[in-house]
Amino acid sequence: DAGVTQSPTHLIKTRGQQVTLRCSPKSGHDTVSWYQQALGQGPQFIFQYYEEEERQRGNFPDRFSGHQFPNYSSELNVNALLLGDSALYLCASSRTSLGPFFGPGTRLTVL
Amino acid sequence: RKEVEQDPGPFNVPEGATVAFNCTYSNSASQSFFWYRQDCRKEPKLLMSVYSSGNEDGRFTAQLNRASQYISLLIRDSKLSDSATYLCVVTWDTGGFKTIFGAGTRLFVKA
Repeated sequence: DAGVTQSPTHLIKTRGQQVTLRCSPKSGHDTVSWYQQALGQGPQFIFQYYEEEERQRGNFPDRFSGHQFPNYSSELNVNALLLGDSALYLCASSRTSLGPFFGPGTRLTVL
Repeated sequence: RKEVEQDPGPFNVPEGATVAFNCTYSNSASQSFFWYRQDCRKEPKLLMSVYSSGNEDGRFTAQLNRASQYISLLIRDSKLSDSATYLCVVTWDTGGFKTIFGAGTRLFVKA
């Protein structure tokens, strides 16, 4: 079992650009959540996908959007990047109410 | 008031010490509770679930107090390898399981 995988591991973008991050959930998990973690902070919930639909959303602007595919993998898209979007983006998969399992994250730097 | 609050620390303790962390949550309908551990520049990893009756896993003991809306983590006989950030996690169902993380408590165990 490969666990949760994310790509890419690191990414550097400039302000105004768009970025797509990818995640494959742990085998048997059908729910994918995305988190943003700034340095020294806990993970902040962005949104959650289940059955290819956004089921929950945190306090993030519409520049943050996502998608879940039939194989449960997911993408996080961020448009019009700002310097403040620099963070570790974590994908977590889960099944029912069990605690989520995290991938290693994608470290995004916006210059 | 934040949905999940933790003392950020840091807690500096000698090897062999006992240390306790508390975490409070605001949603009385919260259903599941967890402690995660996060090492520097790594993803959070599930340490243990927290059950109403309290539960123990080796040197770690977790407690839940629903009346006062807090959970706790006790670490006995601290090891150098326990140095990490400990994240309190609370979930509740609002048509989908929303998972909220505290900002984390830093622990440094010194020789």
